Amino acid sequence: GDSVTQMEGPVTLSEEAFLTINCTYTATGYPSLFWYVQYPGEGLQLLLKATKADDKGSNKGFEATYRKETTSFHLEKGSVQVSDSAVYFCALSDRSGGGADGLTFGKGTHLIIQP
Amino acid sequence: DAGVIQSPRHEVTEMGQEVTLRCKPISGHDYLFWYRQTMMRGLELLIYFNNNVPIDDSGMPEDRFSAKMPNASFSTLKIQPSEPRDSAVYFCASSFQVGTEAFFGQGTRLTVV
Repeated sequence: GDSVTQMEGPVTLSEEAFLTINCTYTATGYPSLFWYVQYPGEGLQLLLKATKADDKGSNKGFEATYRKETTSFHLEKGSVQVSDSAVYFCALSDRSGGGADGLTFGKGTHLIIQP
Repeated sequence: DAGVIQSPRHEVTEMGQEVTLRCKPISGHDYLFWYRQTMMRGLELLIYFNNNVPIDDSGMPEDRFSAKMPNASFSTLKIQPSEPRDSAVYFCASSFQVGTEAFFGQGTRLTVV
């Protein structure tokens, strides 16, 4: 079945540091890929997405590129801020391969940015 | 649109009691999903509906769990009887169509004592 693997953390960085959160996936078809962010006490919010190979999703300074050859969708940001502290989830949707209609999530990566 | 609305935000109940969680999806979205989030298991898909019809409930942990969607603007997730291991955050999400992003509610934090 489909699965998403991401580093669980916590990942602790200083403000203005470069961020990479790794995400790899297994899917039978051609999935759409997503990054969601969850701030404390809140629901998940879509951060960015990519629907086909080599697409780059971007939002709020975050970027991720859909790499079919390495089945990866790593999240990057050039200079993090304290306000970026949250839990980040990588997810896929793979109905093209006959999978379920719901999103498959990784376990989440807790990011802590220190001033 | 106000987004996906869930109620209550917090629920504390005693073991054995019935618990009902409620969700109002975004208007026009054909898909509605119920997820459960715990530290141990992360986010789990419990059940989802398409046009008010349950499509896949294979994620529902036991017969104690049931979900309904009587119309396009309302869904419930019921646990009867509740047990301490049901303590978790339950999220409702909706999406316009398959393969697109899902929009999540704020969640209901359930504590069963």
